[in-house]
Amino acid sequence: GIQVEQSPPDLILQEGANSTLRCNFSDSVNNLQWFHQNPWGQLINLFYIPSGTKQNGRLSATTVATERYSLLYISSSQTTDSGVYFCAVVQGNKLVFGAGTILRVKS
Amino acid sequence: KAGVTQTPRYLIKTRGQQVTLSCSPISGHRSVSWYQQTPGQGLQFLFEYFSETQRNKGNFPGRFSGRQFSNSRSEMNVSTLELGDSALYLCASSLNRGVTEAFFGQGTRLTVV
Repeated sequence: GIQVEQSPPDLILQEGANSTLRCNFSDSVNNLQWFHQNPWGQLINLFYIPSGTKQNGRLSATTVATERYSLLYISSSQTTDSGVYFCAVVQGNKLVFGAGTILRVKS
Repeated sequence: KAGVTQTPRYLIKTRGQQVTLSCSPISGHRSVSWYQQTPGQGLQFLFEYFSETQRNKGNFPGRFSGRQFSNSRSEMNVSTLELGDSALYLCASSLNRGVTEAFFGQGTRLTVV
């Protein structure tokens, strides 16, 4: 099956810093999503981005489907950005998740 | 528009018991999928339901089962609970199967003692 790898596994930032999270996948995909898991466990939708670039406030994402990777950019990080970030791709009508990036933003 | 609703939020059960978790998808969404999240295995696919039929199942034992009702609400059941079943169970709702955006509920945190 498809492999999804996320890097880095852990990231510690000072408030106000920028960061880039990466998601590599081993096969072509028609659907890629980025999620933020809050401290209570809920997966919050950030982007649905099978290809191209999207922006939402301080967050933006780029997926280069032909090269099998996606990037999530967080600018001017805030403590509320802390949590786990997952990317997930669709294979056979199911989502396959990466292991996640744990982000800690310090004030 | 209401989001995906999972009940209960927290549950403590004893080994050998069974448990039923519920998921109400976003209104109009017809596909419901279930995922298990544990520290060791991450997020793993359990099963997918569409039009009241299980369409896809992950690599889990037969103790894990589910169903979907005509209003798209879904339940999953775990029988003969084991300690290793302790996990966060997440339900995802999609408009249709496959290449459509999935939205998740808040999850049910199951602890087996």
